[in-house]
Amino acid sequence: DAKTTQPNSMESNEEEPVHLPCNHSTISGTDYIHWYRQLPSQGPEYVIHGLTSNVNNRMASLAIAEDRKSSTLILHRATLRDAAVYYCILRSPNTGFQKLVFGTGTRLLVSP
Amino acid sequence: GAGVSQSPSNKVTEKGKDVELRCDPISGHTALYWYRQSLGQGLEFLIYFQGNSAPDKSGLPSDRFSAERTGGSVSTLTIQRTQQEDSAVYLCASSLELAGQYEQYFGPGTRLTVT
Repeated sequence: DAKTTQPNSMESNEEEPVHLPCNHSTISGTDYIHWYRQLPSQGPEYVIHGLTSNVNNRMASLAIAEDRKSSTLILHRATLRDAAVYYCILRSPNTGFQKLVFGTGTRLLVSP
Repeated sequence: GAGVSQSPSNKVTEKGKDVELRCDPISGHTALYWYRQSLGQGLEFLIYFQGNSAPDKSGLPSDRFSAERTGGSVSTLTIQRTQQEDSAVYLCASSLELAGQYEQYFGPGTRLTVT
């Protein structure tokens, strides 16, 4: 299975941008890059996903390196509600397109 | 609209007893997944349903664990002869599984404590 590497934790101040990195040097050509986050005492929630091009939605932006070996989740203005564990996940048809394989993620702390 | 719901939210049981955990997916979602989250193991996949069939059961940790789905909707995860290591939060997720719409929507989980 292609694996991802993320920092254990990051800190940010409220209303500042946050860049959450993810390394996936063994990514294959068919792997999609997905991001989920888990707020305290809740189930994970989908944030964004992409294949090659950068993606934007109402929650965040996803910047994918040209060689696809890394990506960055961008929260444009962090709020206290964004404090969560963020998971970068590769979804590959070779492992069953459906299941999510979670790593340890990055715990984001947001200070007022 | 209504999200994924799970019941009970908390369950305390004695070692050796059987437990049933219920998941109500989002209406119309064809795919349903079970995961569990424990302190020692993080979030791990258990089983996946497409309709009422389970093409991927690879994550079930032992034959004490089973799951079924009926009517392409509600799913029940059953753990027989519970052990202390079964203590975890059991999460259910559903997905539409149409092109471009593979994101999974998670329920709040059932916290299982085996004493």
